[in-house]
Amino acid sequence: GAGVSQSPRYKVAKRGQDVALRCDPISGHVSLFWYQQALGQGPEFLTYFQNEAQLDKSGLPSDRFFAERPEGSVSTLKIQRTQQEDSAVYLCASSPGPDQPQHFGDGTRLSIL
Amino acid sequence: GENVEQHPSTLSVQEGDSAVIKCTYSDSASNYFPWYKQELGKRPQLIIDIRSNVGEKKDQRIAVTLNKTAKHFSLHITETQPEDSAVYFCAAQRTGTASKLTFGTGTRLQVTL
Repeated sequence: GAGVSQSPRYKVAKRGQDVALRCDPISGHVSLFWYQQALGQGPEFLTYFQNEAQLDKSGLPSDRFFAERPEGSVSTLKIQRTQQEDSAVYLCASSPGPDQPQHFGDGTRLSIL
Repeated sequence: GENVEQHPSTLSVQEGDSAVIKCTYSDSASNYFPWYKQELGKRPQLIIDIRSNVGEKKDQRIAVTLNKTAKHFSLHITETQPEDSAVYFCAAQRTGTASKLTFGTGTRLQVTL
């Protein structure tokens, strides 16, 4: 595709519900990243995939956060038992390789009520 | 881990003037420094980047300088235009490892007529 695509663009959930956020990277991009951006802040790293392998998940804030990329293309970020502090924009980025420039999607704005 | 500080947090300039945004980083092993522009509700867009083997890079009205000894880098925008108004983020990366970007806290640039 032309760029990184994320869906949904907006998600509202009640506290305690589970949510799943999708990322379609640029075709052929090996590396895929998830970041969390709080209002008025810079993006903060969550996790990194190279193909289907999750090489770094050090930024995931708790075990309620889980990410996968089973076929090395589309990735899903899942948040279980959502809490209000999970409200943020979740950004996905992809790059041709691990040391190449990262290109971002428009993000999913998650609001937990 | 890496820590990136960014100043100023807000910057207002008149159209046609220059704007300078400064960042410092803590990890001397960081060797890639991109700059992203983010308009309200939009994705961060890569506007320029520099690697540690280069001291300066220019692309039309935008330039970035890097001082490895002092561990700081700066974004320079000349002949500012209203469409330059946005939030700008600097970032640092230690390539060859986990490849995550560490972002600064952002600078809101307002270009007034």
